[in-house]
Amino acid sequence: GIQVEQSPPDLILQEGANSTLRCNFSDSVNNLQWFHQNPWGQLINLFYIPSGTKQNGRLSATTVATERYSLLYISSSQTTDSGVYFCAVADLSSGSARQLTFGSGTQLTVLP
Amino acid sequence: DAGVTQSPTHLIKTRGQQVTLRCSPISGHKSVSWYQQVLGQGPQFIFQYYEKEERGRGNFPDRFSARQFPNYSSELNVNALLLGDSALYLCASSWDRGNQPQHFGDGTRLSIL
Repeated sequence: GIQVEQSPPDLILQEGANSTLRCNFSDSVNNLQWFHQNPWGQLINLFYIPSGTKQNGRLSATTVATERYSLLYISSSQTTDSGVYFCAVADLSSGSARQLTFGSGTQLTVLP
Repeated sequence: DAGVTQSPTHLIKTRGQQVTLRCSPISGHKSVSWYQQVLGQGPQFIFQYYEKEERGRGNFPDRFSARQFPNYSSELNVNALLLGDSALYLCASSWDRGNQPQHFGDGTRLSIL
């Protein structure tokens, strides 16, 4: 099956700093999503981005499908950004965009 | 509109028992998927249902089963519970056609004693 690697595994920032999270995947995908899992376990949709670039406030994401990677940018980080960030993909060979394979996540801690 | 709703939020069972978890998708969504998230790991795909039929199954034993009802809600059943079944169980729904994002519920936290 498809492999998803996220880096870095852990990231500690001071409030106000910027960061880049990376997601590499091993095969062509028809779905790529970024999620934020808060300390209460809620998995929050950030972006649906199988290709191209999107922005939502302080967050933006870019997926280069031909090179099999995606980047999540967080600018002016806040303590509420803390949590685990997951990249999840569905590969074309599965025939469904709804069977997601998750990476192992990036644990982000933003210090006040 | 309400998001994906799951019940119960927490559950404690003992080894060997059986459990049923429930999920109601976002209104209009016909596809429901189930995921298991063990502590410290990313969620793992268990099942996908669409129009009451199983459309995909992950690498889980036959103790895990699911079904989808005419109103598109779904149940996940796990028999003969093991300690390793302790996890957060997440349900996701999406539109039925095309490449659409998955929307997740808050999950059911299952603890096996």
